[in-house]
Amino acid sequence: SQQGEEDPQALSIQEGENATMNCSYKTSINNLQWYRQNSGRGLVHLILIRSNEREKHSGRLRVTLDTSKKSSSLLITASRAADTASYFCATDGGRRALTFGSGTRLQVQP
Amino acid sequence: EAGVAQSPRYKIIEKRQSVAFWCNPISGHATLYWYQQILGQGPKLLIQFQNNGVVDDSQLPKDRFSAERLKGVDSTLKIQPAKLEDSAVYLCASSEEAYEQYFGPGTRLTVT
Repeated sequence: SQQGEEDPQALSIQEGENATMNCSYKTSINNLQWYRQNSGRGLVHLILIRSNEREKHSGRLRVTLDTSKKSSSLLITASRAADTASYFCATDGGRRALTFGSGTRLQVQP
Repeated sequence: EAGVAQSPRYKIIEKRQSVAFWCNPISGHATLYWYQQILGQGPKLLIQFQNNGVVDDSQLPKDRFSAERLKGVDSTLKIQPAKLEDSAVYLCASSEEAYEQYFGPGTRLTVT
């Protein structure tokens, strides 16, 4: 079963705008990770946030985690056409195997 | 470093036939995972190996799916017999002590 649910399911923005994706999960976690999947390509790890962290940055990415609400958000600033992809949150309950959400499909229009 | 290798990339079979997928993880990665990704959904864990031992296979349909990891390196995933609902992309991933997983390109299986 899917642990997380991403919101929105699909998002279309213009190049240069910011994109925000949200993720909710159900059970306690050790860490939460975000992955990107381009059409026809494999999953690529973007960023990991541990359960005792509240915010993390990596380049144009900003991730927040609220364990009391069991939710996370991924912000991509100054989006580019190359950011067009599906984005998945994945939770690690402590055994390292990941439980993925259903994903947000991001379309960045040039 | 070389990434996770998978073969074949594509496979089309008829229902009730058998199929096998192969995965070669990144050198030195002790943990290997097989995920199933149905179109429009996120990946779902099928089985997790630590070296050549199974850590978690709770979501593996054991009546038709089997997997092994000989010598703690390469792994094969087999489906016998295949059903229409097995059509999906099968992803292999590996990790070392860190939590980040490295995914292969996947095998797209179509069952007709």
